[in-house]
Amino acid sequence: GAGVSQSPSNKVTEKGKDVELRCDPISGHTALYWYRQSLGQGLEFLIYFQGNSAPDKSGLPSDRFSAERTGGSVSTLTIQRTQQEDSAVYLCASSLVGGGVYEQYFGPGTRLTVT
Amino acid sequence: KNQVEQSPQSLIILEGKNCTLQCNYTVSPFSNLRWYKQDTGRGPVSLTIMTFSENTKSNGRYTATLDADTKQSSLHITASQLSDSASYICVVSAMGNYQLIWGAGTKLIIKP
Repeated sequence: GAGVSQSPSNKVTEKGKDVELRCDPISGHTALYWYRQSLGQGLEFLIYFQGNSAPDKSGLPSDRFSAERTGGSVSTLTIQRTQQEDSAVYLCASSLVGGGVYEQYFGPGTRLTVT
Repeated sequence: KNQVEQSPQSLIILEGKNCTLQCNYTVSPFSNLRWYKQDTGRGPVSLTIMTFSENTKSNGRYTATLDADTKQSSLHITASQLSDSASYICVVSAMGNYQLIWGAGTKLIIKP
């Protein structure tokens, strides 16, 4: 079956603009994660969705960041009033169920460049 | 503070040679440790996952070891191939916590 897909693959935006990043998880996976990876750095957890439960937003770096997951499937990460420090690769992962023992499958990421 | 540290930061070896990458962690209580391979421009792909009771696990030419007492892990790559060029990331999970603690990775370059 299809893996995790993300769009766009690359996004260049001007400082101050809003951007939306999309993630399509593997069908049937109830858990969905967003991460951010800056150049040469490890993955930084942003937000976690599990089924219909309230998402864990503890990793979002500021209130300019928000995410939704509609119908327990597709997720959108929105960054408002982008800043240059938001430039990074944004990775989405899904797993069958949330929890540390379950395999997370990653999408190819969206490379965001804020000019 | 839960942390994962990897060494070396980068490594260059000749095709066909072996290499070993290191990972030290301070995550507690420990649940499991994974090694991921991340090709340039791609998302990470899992190579191995080990729980507390496992001290070695192989996946083809990749062999991971775990010493839960010293909180150290290694990833050994045998007979390296050009396609092994990638970043290798050590990731640790704490018990009862779905969040993973990610190392910064080791960038491995295989030269012909």
